[in-house]
Amino acid sequence: KQEVTQIPAALSVPEGENLVLNCSFTDSAIYNLQWFRQDPGKGLTSLLLIQSSQREQTSGRLNASLDKSSGRSTLYIAASQPGDSATYLCAVKGNNNDMRFGAGTRLTVKP
Amino acid sequence: GAGVSQTPSNKVTEKGKYVELRCDPISGHTALYWYRQSLGQGPEFLIYFQGTGAADDSGLPNDRFFAVRPEGSVSTLKIQRTERGDSAVYLCASSLMGAQDEQYFGPGTRLTVT
Repeated sequence: KQEVTQIPAALSVPEGENLVLNCSFTDSAIYNLQWFRQDPGKGLTSLLLIQSSQREQTSGRLNASLDKSSGRSTLYIAASQPGDSATYLCAVKGNNNDMRFGAGTRLTVKP
Repeated sequence: GAGVSQTPSNKVTEKGKYVELRCDPISGHTALYWYRQSLGQGPEFLIYFQGTGAADDSGLPNDRFFAVRPEGSVSTLKIQRTERGDSAVYLCASSLMGAQDEQYFGPGTRLTVT
């Protein structure tokens, strides 16, 4: 069974700092990997989707990388802002359609 | 355009009661997913529909849980004889075609079983 782990569980940084969130998964036979943002009491907002054949995706200040062979993905956030404060979830989709999520990293960006 | 919507946003019920949770996917999306999220955890997969049929229901925890999508659009998650352990946020997501596509999530229904 696929296991997804996110480190750290919580992170607090000052505004303007660049930061990296980590995601690891145990089964490298994945279809794709998706990073989401979740605000308190809200649903999930998709940030980036990386197909298994891709190495990275970029959107604005966000860059996600995928190393399938080592079972790792990172989400890089440049020049962090207080509005980036949220929980960031990594999700891995296997070839059997189910999506496995990590427990998330709770990010706080202090003004 | 309109995103995924879920109703009700909150539901409080007594142990042993029956509840129905509704999901309206993005128009034209053929794939629909249900997840359950407990406090401090990531969402847990429950069931996946492709059109009207349940393509994968391996995540349903037991036979008290059932979901339908009779016309290939709106879906209802049904929970019989609710237990306190069923308390969670139930999330619905849809995607355009299927497994390879990006999933778009609704705001969720917070279920509390007292």
